[in-house]
Amino acid sequence: GAGVSQSPRYKVAKRGQDVALRCDPISGHVSLFWYQQALGQGPEFLTYFQNEAQLDKSGLPSDRFFAERPEGSVSTLKIQRTQQEDSAVYLCASSIRTSGRNNEQFFGPGTRLTVL
Amino acid sequence: KQEVTQIPAALSVPEGENLVLNCSFTDSAIYNLQWFRQDPGKGLTSLLLIQSSQREQTSGRLNASLDKSSGRSTLYIAASQPGDSATYLCAAPSSNTGKLIFGQGTTLQVKP
Repeated sequence: GAGVSQSPRYKVAKRGQDVALRCDPISGHVSLFWYQQALGQGPEFLTYFQNEAQLDKSGLPSDRFFAERPEGSVSTLKIQRTQQEDSAVYLCASSIRTSGRNNEQFFGPGTRLTVL
Repeated sequence: KQEVTQIPAALSVPEGENLVLNCSFTDSAIYNLQWFRQDPGKGLTSLLLIQSSQREQTSGRLNASLDKSSGRSTLYIAASQPGDSATYLCAAPSSNTGKLIFGQGTTLQVKP
């Protein structure tokens, strides 16, 4: 596609529910990143995929957070037993190469998650 | 560990002014630095990417500079317009994976 897309754009969940957030990266982009952005803050790194391999999950805040990219394209971020502190915007980004250090990242519109 | 700071958190200027947004980083072994724009309720739009070998990068009315030795980058906006109102974020990659470390952002308001 022309850019990174994410769905849903908005999600309201009751505390304790499981949610799944989807990211479609730019076609052909090897690297995929998930970030979490709290209100009024800059995004914070959650996890990184190179193709289907999850090479860095150091930013996932707890074992309730799980991400996958089984075919090296679409990625899903799953949050189990949601808590109010999970309320944030979840951003997905992709870049074209395998080495991330000199690559420009392109972001999707984000999914705004509200946990009641 | 890379840390990125942006000051001020908010800025309000009259239309037509030239302005500078500041970004500081702690690890001078930086590969590049990226500036983004974020409109309310939207994702991030990449504005400029400066490689470590470059000192500045220009796109239209925007000019970004990078000084590794002092740990600073600036985003210069010429002849500001109300449409420039947004939050501007800078970010630097950390580790081999290139995960970005972001500043807190500067929210700019350009008044007509």
